[in-house]
Amino acid sequence: AQSVTQLDSQVPVFEEAPVELRCNYSSSVSVYLFWYVQYPNQGLQLLLKYLSGSTLVKGINGFEAEFNKSQTSFHLRKPSVHISDTAEYFCAVSPMGTGYALNFGKGTSLLVTP
Amino acid sequence: DAMVIQNPRYQVTQFGKPVTLSCSQTLNHNVMYWYQQKSSQAPKLLFHYYDKDFNNEADTPDNFQSRRPNTSFCFLDIRSPGLGDAAMYLCATSRDFGTNNEQFFGPGTRLTVL
Repeated sequence: AQSVTQLDSQVPVFEEAPVELRCNYSSSVSVYLFWYVQYPNQGLQLLLKYLSGSTLVKGINGFEAEFNKSQTSFHLRKPSVHISDTAEYFCAVSPMGTGYALNFGKGTSLLVTP
Repeated sequence: DAMVIQNPRYQVTQFGKPVTLSCSQTLNHNVMYWYQQKSSQAPKLLFHYYDKDFNNEADTPDNFQSRRPNTSFCFLDIRSPGLGDAAMYLCATSRDFGTNNEQFFGPGTRLTVL
């Protein structure tokens, strides 16, 4: 089984400041890793994913994440946030191979203010 | 644009009155999923279809059923909604499992139970 811990439930940040949203996971098998964003009253949109290869993954809207196997982490970063980045962010893992289930963390609410 | 569509976006039902939520996809994906997301919580997988094969998560209540009459459509039936079933219901699709299990989400249906 897999589990995901998002260490911060809320992250307030000023516009144009950098931000890091933390994600740690636990799994007995190798996993794929994902970050999704959810705007109010909308579905989830994939920001980026790590399947294999380079541990630094670039996604949409200027976000990137780094997979650290030894620390079992997959933190999400953006060097300069915008007001429009205000949303809920979910980290998720899925077992490699024929696995399908996405195990989500509880989410981090990013609030960007002027 | 290929997408996942959910109807209606908002559904109000009465306690105990059956309700059906609809999902359709133009991605021609093999797998369709239904998630329940309660307020300020992570999405929780209820069940999925791989083509016509139905897979129920172990802790999904019997009150929840699903139908997939063809590749494009999938329905969620709640036989006797309780107040605790009020939530956002998310439909998702993926091409396959494993490295092709990136899930594409619809906008969700918010269910209110009176």
